[in-house]
Amino acid sequence: DAKTTQPPSMDCAEGRAANLPCNHSTISGNEYVYWYRQIHSQGPQYIIHGLKNNETNEMASLIITEDRKSSTLILPHATLRDTAVYYCIVGGGSNYKLTFGKGTLLTVNP
Amino acid sequence: EAGVTQSPTHLIKTRGQQVTLRCSPISGHTSVYWYQQALGLGLQFLLWYDEGEERNRGNFPPRFSGRQFPNYSSELNVNALELEDSALYLCASSLQRLAGAGNIQYFGAGTRLSVL
Repeated sequence: DAKTTQPPSMDCAEGRAANLPCNHSTISGNEYVYWYRQIHSQGPQYIIHGLKNNETNEMASLIITEDRKSSTLILPHATLRDTAVYYCIVGGGSNYKLTFGKGTLLTVNP
Repeated sequence: EAGVTQSPTHLIKTRGQQVTLRCSPISGHTSVYWYQQALGLGLQFLLWYDEGEERNRGNFPPRFSGRQFPNYSSELNVNALELEDSALYLCASSLQRLAGAGNIQYFGAGTRLSVL
């Protein structure tokens, strides 16, 4: 699986957009970008995934660069409950495992 | 729709004992995955079951084993417990699809195992 690089931590003010970057320069053509988050001691929560196109759902937006070497997860209006570790994962379409790195600790401040 | 459920939520064992953790996947999901998250460490892949068969396992000793039942629920067994087995054990399920459609895994809340 391609490796990802994320900043260890980020801060965001409540109500503002949180933009979490991820580099995945070795991604191959059939690999997806997945985003999960883990709130302290809970199971990871799926947020969004994409292959080539930008994606949006009720939780977030995913922007993937044209060369697919990086992506950004956008939480449009961060709340205190969005404080969590966010993981960017790259894997194949039927990848049997998710390889979690250290992720980004996003702290949303009041 | 019920999510992935795991039991028990917490467990305390002593070294050398054996433990069984249980997981019920989301209805309709055929694949179950087990992960270990030790304190301060990332999630490590343990096992993958699909359609009742073990499809792959991570870099863990044979005393970590499991099975998947005809209703797709799964058990993780750990024999001869060691102190370093203390961790959060997470189960995830997914609906296996044709390659190219993505494979979203949905996680349960986990079982917290403490080995004393």
